[in-house]
Amino acid sequence: NAGVTQTPKFQVLKTGQSMTLQCAQDMNHEYMSWYRQDPGMGLRLIHYSVGAGITDQGEVPNGYNVSRSTTEDFPLRLLSAAPSQTSVYFCASRYGLSNGYTFGSGTRLTVV
Amino acid sequence: GENVEQHPSTLSVQEGDSAVIKCTYSDSASNYFPWYKQELGKRPQLIIDIRSNVGEKKDQRIAVTLNKTAKHFSLHITETQPEDSAVYFCAAHGDKLIFGTGTRLQVFP
Repeated sequence: NAGVTQTPKFQVLKTGQSMTLQCAQDMNHEYMSWYRQDPGMGLRLIHYSVGAGITDQGEVPNGYNVSRSTTEDFPLRLLSAAPSQTSVYFCASRYGLSNGYTFGSGTRLTVV
Repeated sequence: GENVEQHPSTLSVQEGDSAVIKCTYSDSASNYFPWYKQELGKRPQLIIDIRSNVGEKKDQRIAVTLNKTAKHFSLHITETQPEDSAVYFCAAHGDKLIFGTGTRLQVFP
């Protein structure tokens, strides 16, 4: 098992550009989430999914879209990048409500 | 929605001492409480978790306690070692997993 795979690892965008952060897991996990991590603010939930075809908003969803067409993939789309979206993004997945999340290695995004 | 507060934000201890990190949550429906350790530049790693039907759980030098009535839970690390130095996050799960803001633990030899 590769676990949770995120691509790319690093990305620099110009303000207004769009891009998709990829996340894939091969553990047949039902639940997947996207978090952003900023200094002093911990991990904040952007969007999450409880299964294929089902997504919901987290704490900070504005400026981001997600879809879950398969169990394995949960891409995060930035529609029009802003400097405030400079952050480290983590994708995570888990099986069942009472199990810990497994995190991907993260994507460090800089918007200039 | 769920809100998780974590204290202290930084904690410095001497090697061999104990460290305690405390968290409170707001949603009484939350029923799963994991703790994560994150080393510099790495991903968060689950170190211990506790479910709402359990008051305490221990794994070697790490223990977690949960008081559902007061809506708070704590992480206890005994006999701290320099490799315990990291940022620790608590989290609470109701309909989604919400994290605290983290505690930077430094263990001095």
